[in-house]
Amino acid sequence: EAQVTQNPRYLITVTGKKLTVTCSQNMNHEYMSWYRQDPGLGLRQIYYSMNVEVTDKGDVPEGYKVSRKEKRNFPLILESPSPNQTSLYFCASGRLFAGELFFGEGSRLTVL
Amino acid sequence: DQQVKQNSPSLSVQEGRISILNCDYTNSMFDYFLWYKKYPAEGPTFLISISSIKDKNEDGRFTVFLNKSAKHLSLHIVPSQPGDSAVYFCAASRSGYALNFGKGTSLLVTP
Repeated sequence: EAQVTQNPRYLITVTGKKLTVTCSQNMNHEYMSWYRQDPGLGLRQIYYSMNVEVTDKGDVPEGYKVSRKEKRNFPLILESPSPNQTSLYFCASGRLFAGELFFGEGSRLTVL
Repeated sequence: DQQVKQNSPSLSVQEGRISILNCDYTNSMFDYFLWYKKYPAEGPTFLISISSIKDKNEDGRFTVFLNKSAKHLSLHIVPSQPGDSAVYFCAASRSGYALNFGKGTSLLVTP
């Protein structure tokens, strides 16, 4: 089954404790991206990657890091989480230049 | 600056009637437009798309209309069903690059 898998789905952590949200896709997509969804703000792009070892900032990259060492994986790293990073995070993948994205089920993160 | 705007945060429609969701964009370089549907506790799922070379695309009960001169697109759902109740996101891209999303419109279809 074609899918984008994110882990963990739910996480409560404390300020400053490094965490990683993993994302994996099994569709051999070149393009992967992270979004956050906040009330009244819709989906905002954090980082994206057009291929292995190629990553770029989206609209709200501050406080986040990403890496793309393998085509299927695109982890989102919060080195020192803060309460304003409490949000619902979505990973997505797609074929390059195709437009359509496939989304994971989301990871709800709470930073206390 | 928001390049894709959905000015109606919510919409309520009776079952069987038409639902019309609107979206405006500011970047004339956008050439591909999509609608996504999102249920609570799930990721957005692709619904329908349209290329800038077209002005209409249909898929069953869903039709998307594009008015390039007005930089406006709309999603029509006919007839609306209770299962259509969800948040609908409009998105736009340029040459297949990063999707820019609107803030979403929450549709409620009442029996």
